[in-house]
Amino acid sequence: DQQVKQNSPSLSVQEGRISILNCDYTNSMFDYFLWYKKYPAEGPTFLISISSIKDKNEDGRFTVFLNKSAKHLSLHIVPSQPGDSAVYFCAASDSGGSNYKLTFGKGTLLTVNP
Amino acid sequence: DSGVTQTPKHLITATGQRVTLRCSPRSGDLSVYWYQQSLDQGLQFLIQYYNGEERAKGNILERFSAQQFPDLHSELNLSSLELGDSALYFCASSVQGASGYTFGSGTRLTVV
Repeated sequence: DQQVKQNSPSLSVQEGRISILNCDYTNSMFDYFLWYKKYPAEGPTFLISISSIKDKNEDGRFTVFLNKSAKHLSLHIVPSQPGDSAVYFCAASDSGGSNYKLTFGKGTLLTVNP
Repeated sequence: DSGVTQTPKHLITATGQRVTLRCSPRSGDLSVYWYQQSLDQGLQFLIQYYNGEERAKGNILERFSAQQFPDLHSELNLSSLELGDSALYFCASSVQGASGYTFGSGTRLTVV
């Protein structure tokens, strides 16, 4: 049972345009959400996060939106740059426990074309 | 360099064998997490250690075990290896909180 789903395995956008990556979750205990970016032969790197008490968090070109009623979050990248080409993982955590294990989606491969 | 060091980077071994993957966490981080990424899968949580003690277990097979040593480095032991164990194994460390996760570059295990 996949608790975090990224239904688009890949996304291709033009440089300068907006990239929108989507993520759905099923576990209502999740209250903290993160996006990680992964280049080939490297580990995932933290990009941006959002707590369930917020519906939006912005960091430079990256904005994450959370819709709790729909159990949906999205990552917007504006403007997209070729260096953004990577696999993006959505992850969720239930911070009510004493550990912080993350449940990941399968990832979306973003390709930004020059 | 993320500060989390994983060795070896690549490992090729035969079915039935045993291997040990090593992780040195970022300086000051007390928590170590192990994740497995199989082909076309997201990262699956295996196990977490905090300051030498097991804190949480995920989808870790009984053939797999881990430990964290007094110097905080961790080892993941995989035994009786099967073809399906071929995957990328990532270690991550944190002081506290999910946003503090720092991943290593992973060990690619190939079982032939």
